[in-house]
Amino acid sequence: GEDVEQSLFLSVREGDSSVINCTYTDSSSTYLYWYKQEPGAGLQLLTYIFSNMDMKQDQRLTVLLNKKDKHLSLRIADTQTGDSAIYFCAESPDTGRRALTFGSGTRLQVQP
Amino acid sequence: KAGVTQTPRYLIKTRGQQVTLSCSPISGHRSVSWYQQTPGQGLQFLFEYFSETQRNKGNFPGRFSGRQFSNSRSEMNVSTLELGDSALYLCASSSNSPIAKNIQYFGAGTRLSVL
Repeated sequence: GEDVEQSLFLSVREGDSSVINCTYTDSSSTYLYWYKQEPGAGLQLLTYIFSNMDMKQDQRLTVLLNKKDKHLSLRIADTQTGDSAIYFCAESPDTGRRALTFGSGTRLQVQP
Repeated sequence: KAGVTQTPRYLIKTRGQQVTLSCSPISGHRSVSWYQQTPGQGLQFLFEYFSETQRNKGNFPGRFSGRQFSNSRSEMNVSTLELGDSALYLCASSSNSPIAKNIQYFGAGTRLSVL
C-alpha cells in the first residue's frame, strides 16, 4: 500500500533555510503536496508539484522532486518564527480518487 | 472567495451518542472529502463525495457515514461514539477541472471530544 514518511522534528535559527524531507512508496503518485498546520488550525496548502516536474519555486518555497528515489523536499528560505508549524507531505495518484495519503508531519521549530 | 467552512468548531459528546458534522465547500467545488486526524494514527481518509454520490471510502467502520446535498454541502455522521473517535475532523474540497481536480483545500476542522 501507499506509505509516506517524514522526519518528526527540525529546528533552525531565524533567517536560515529549512529543508523538510519526505519519501513515498507509491510509484503511481502523480500529485505531491506540502501542507502547513499551525496549532489548533486546519491544513493550509502551501504548494504542490506534479510528478512530471523536478522543481517548483514559489516565493520563499522551493520543492524538489526526485522521482527515481521517490524523494520530495521542501526548502523554506529565510525562515521566520511565523513558519513554526507542522508540515505534512501528501501524495495522490491520478486515478480520479481524491484520497490523499499523508506523512506523519515534521514539526519545524524556528529559534529567534 | 470564502474558503471551506466547517461547523461546529468544537463538540463534546459522551460514549454511545451520535454526532453530525457539517462542511460547506469553496463555491464551485463539487468534491468534498473528509479526514480524521488523531495523535496516534495521523491523518486518515474517511470518504469522498461528488455530485451527491460517495465516490471513495477509507478503512473505517460503518458507524462513520456521510452524505452530500445538491448544493455540494456535506455532512458526516458518527453513530455510537467511542472514546477513540475523539479527533480533529477535517473537510476538504476540490474542483473538477482537469488541472485542479486533485488539489484539495481544507477547512479549519471540527474538534470532537468523546467523554
